[in-house]
Amino acid sequence: DQQVKQNSPSLSVQEGRISILNCDYTNSMFDYFLWYKKYPAEGPTFLISISSIKDKNEDGRFTVFLNKSAKHLSLHIVPSQPGDSAVYFCAASATGTASKLTFGTGTRLQVTL
Amino acid sequence: NAGVTQTPKFRVLKTGQSMTLLCAQDMNHEYMYWYRQDPGMGLRLIHYSVGEGTTAKGEVPDGYNVSRLKKQNFLLGLESAAPSQTSVYFCASSYSAGVGDFGPGTRLTVL
Repeated sequence: DQQVKQNSPSLSVQEGRISILNCDYTNSMFDYFLWYKKYPAEGPTFLISISSIKDKNEDGRFTVFLNKSAKHLSLHIVPSQPGDSAVYFCAASATGTASKLTFGTGTRLQVTL
Repeated sequence: NAGVTQTPKFRVLKTGQSMTLLCAQDMNHEYMYWYRQDPGMGLRLIHYSVGEGTTAKGEVPDGYNVSRLKKQNFLLGLESAAPSQTSVYFCASSYSAGVGDFGPGTRLTVL
């Protein structure tokens, strides 16, 4: 079963606008959530994370929101830039599991001029 | 500081052949992982290690073996390659409870 789900395979946003990427999870043991960005032919790179004791974490243009009751998190990118065009993976881990990550299937973001 | 490196970058195998993928990290990370990425399926954990000399199975371990003889290296072996193992393989490393750093990947095709 897919414990981390990204239901939107792709998203297109105009430069300067907000990009919102969504992620849902089913495993209530997950308590740490991460977003990775991946360019073609490269490995994923860490973008931002959030612990379950918080509901928001911000880093520059990137903000992650966590709604534990809904088992939902979202990544907001404001303003979106052409260099943000990439595949974004949501990932989750649980305390005591050796930081093993369970990944979603990814959302391809295209930022257009 | 090279981070996480993977060797080779590309490889084509015939069914039944064997090979070893090498992952090396120079960040003194305790934990190391092997993931595979297939279209539409995200990244899935194959095997992982929480320290030198230790290994454990992940989500999709069948057909693979691993070894962690040195802290900085994590080897992934395919004893008898199958077309279903055609994939992109990523190695990652992290501190005990930290964010993972990923390598650039190895693209493997099994004919």
